[in-house]
Amino acid sequence: GAVVSQHPSRVICKSGTSVKIECRSLDFQATTMFWYRQFPKQSLMLMATSNEGSKATYEQGVEKDKFLINHASLTLSTLTVTSAHPEDSSFYICSARSAGDTQYFGPGTRLTVL
Amino acid sequence: KQEVTQIPAALSVPEGENLVLNCSFTDSAIYNLQWFRQDPGKGLTSLLLIQSSQREQTSGRLNASLDKSSGRSTLYIAASQPGDSATYLCAGLLYTDKLIFGTGTRLQVFP
Repeated sequence: GAVVSQHPSRVICKSGTSVKIECRSLDFQATTMFWYRQFPKQSLMLMATSNEGSKATYEQGVEKDKFLINHASLTLSTLTVTSAHPEDSSFYICSARSAGDTQYFGPGTRLTVL
Repeated sequence: KQEVTQIPAALSVPEGENLVLNCSFTDSAIYNLQWFRQDPGKGLTSLLLIQSSQREQTSGRLNASLDKSSGRSTLYIAASQPGDSATYLCAGLLYTDKLIFGTGTRLQVFP
C-alpha cells in the first residue's frame, strides 16, 4: 500500500522560533497533499490543501502567514510553523493522494512549544 | 456546512462483546465515507471505505454500513478484543475533495 512519512515525529521548540515539518509520499506521486491539526482528545481539523506547484488553499481561520506550506515536488510538502507559540502545540498530520485516489495519512508530528 | 458526529464519545466493554459505533452527518452529499482507527499519539489507519453508491463493506471482524438518506453510518465490531482498544474516527469525503472528520469514539476493551 501507499506509504506517507513525516519528519520529525516529535519536536520541542522555544516560543518565537520556527519549525518545519516534512511530509513525503514514499512510493507514489502525490498531486495533492493535505495538512491537518489535532488537539488533545479532539478530531482532525483540515488546515490547508496544497497542490504541487501551486499555492496552498487554507481553511477559514487558519493564518497562511503563520502556517507556511510548500509543495514543491510530487513527493514532498512542508509545513512551517512560524514564530511558534504554546497554543500552536498540537499533533500535525499530513495526507497525500494521487489524482482520483484515496488519501493516505502520515504518522503525525507532535509539536510542543515551550 | 457538513458536520459529522459520533456516538458514543467513549465506550468501555469486556472482551468478546459485539459493538456498534455510530456516525451521523448533516449533509448527504458525500462522495464516500471512511472509518479510521487511531492509537494514542499515532497517525490514522484506514479500516473501511464505503463509496456513496454502496451500502456496506466488510473486513474481517469489521462491518461498516452507510445510509446516505438518513445521514448515518455504523461500524460493527464482532467479538471485540483488547487489541481493538483505540479511537475510531469516521470521515466523509465531500465533493469539494475535503475530508470532514467526526468527533471520534474512544473504545476500551478490557480482558
